[in-house]
Amino acid sequence: GAVVSQHPSWVICKSGTSVKIECRSLDFQATTMFWYRQFPKQSLMLMATSNEGSKATYEQGVEKDKFLINHASLTLSTLTVTSAHPEDSSFYICSASSGVPRGGSPLHFGNGTRLTVT
Amino acid sequence: TQLLEQSPQFLSIQEGENLTVYCNSSSVFSSLQWYRQEPGEGPVLLVTVVTGGEVKKLKRLTFQFGDARKDSSLHITAAQPGDTGLYLCAGFTGNQFYFGTGTSLTVIP
Repeated sequence: GAVVSQHPSWVICKSGTSVKIECRSLDFQATTMFWYRQFPKQSLMLMATSNEGSKATYEQGVEKDKFLINHASLTLSTLTVTSAHPEDSSFYICSASSGVPRGGSPLHFGNGTRLTVT
Repeated sequence: TQLLEQSPQFLSIQEGENLTVYCNSSSVFSSLQWYRQEPGEGPVLLVTVVTGGEVKKLKRLTFQFGDARKDSSLHITAAQPGDTGLYLCAGFTGNQFYFGTGTSLTVIP
């Protein structure tokens, strides 16, 4: 159980275009979803926290107008990278929690999306 | 802000050797988790520790939570190539998880 599906697994786009990444919880309701960015062999950098039906909370330094997050249902959150540039190329990962995150509860991660902007 | 520092950042060892990864912070966490991530995939939870001084064993992996709940360690005995991956600790405080800086482990056959 507790499967999180992320799509697409990889995408190549041209500079200036927008890319949408989907994160779905397949067998549970995800009240909270997290979006991370990760560079090779480095840790996860939290970009934003999204709660179903409300605006996402962005971490300091993350441009909310560039990285649009929508959490319209309890099973789906989307991250749209708008006007992508080569420096946006990275590995983006989502994780989901079935309720208010608690210390004893695991985070369920998607398999990530490799974005390459040419 | 990176609350959790992991050391070493990179580690390359021969199969059969032992190793320890450290996860340190000046902050107190109500719990701490360890994840392992393989290239191109999301992290997978290995263990959760919640009590100061707690020790948990998972086959050849031993996890310890510091008495003050500010640090943790992961010890691997007789490492195998299948242990290769990125190891991440994650501390929980203030309703949020904070990930460590990561340790990239390579076990050479």
